[in-house]
Amino acid sequence: IAGITQAPTSQILAAGRRMTLRCTQDMRHNAMYWYRQDLGLGLRLIHYSNTAGTTGKGEVPDGYSVSRANTDDFPLTLASAVPSQTSVYFCASSDGNRVSPLHFGNGTRLTVT
Amino acid sequence: QKEVEQDPGPLSVPEGAIVSLNCTYSNSAFQYFMWYRQYSRKGPELLMYTYSSGNKEDGRFTAQVDKSSKYISLFIRDSQPSDSATYLCAMRVAGANSKLTFGKGITLSVRP
Repeated sequence: IAGITQAPTSQILAAGRRMTLRCTQDMRHNAMYWYRQDLGLGLRLIHYSNTAGTTGKGEVPDGYSVSRANTDDFPLTLASAVPSQTSVYFCASSDGNRVSPLHFGNGTRLTVT
Repeated sequence: QKEVEQDPGPLSVPEGAIVSLNCTYSNSAFQYFMWYRQYSRKGPELLMYTYSSGNKEDGRFTAQVDKSSKYISLFIRDSQPSDSATYLCAMRVAGANSKLTFGKGITLSVRP
């Protein structure tokens, strides 16, 4: 089934540790996104990539980095996790034109202790 | 003022009720309007997509856009327990690679 796969589905991480959240899509979409979702704050854009080889900062990029080496994969790295990064992280993709909707994965629930 | 404001909820209705979910926005450049539905522990999924003022109907769901008032609504007729979810409005400006701006979402519970 075509879509977005995120891994892991959940993780408990000690503060200060490094963590990479994985995201793979098989729809050959040009654009990919990382959001975090927090109660009372909604979905907030962390980083995005309009096409392979390019990335950009969203609304809340601090403490996170991304890379886009190819069309299908868009990993999100927390270099040194802090408790405020406890959240549910969603990866999404679209084919990049102005009328295309976002397709979301089922998220990674991250707890930083 | 936030660019997109959504009624905070939560909202609980009996089965069969008509539900009205609403968002207001401040950026008159928004041209494309969406409603996403998110079930518990799942990612959001697109429910309705409109790009003009007026109504769009899809089964029991109707999306309404009033650009003059900067107001969008989602109506659910004959609501079912399976409609229990969080509903997020989202919108974007015209132009390639424009980003979606989301409302915070409202959680709906339909009681059998």
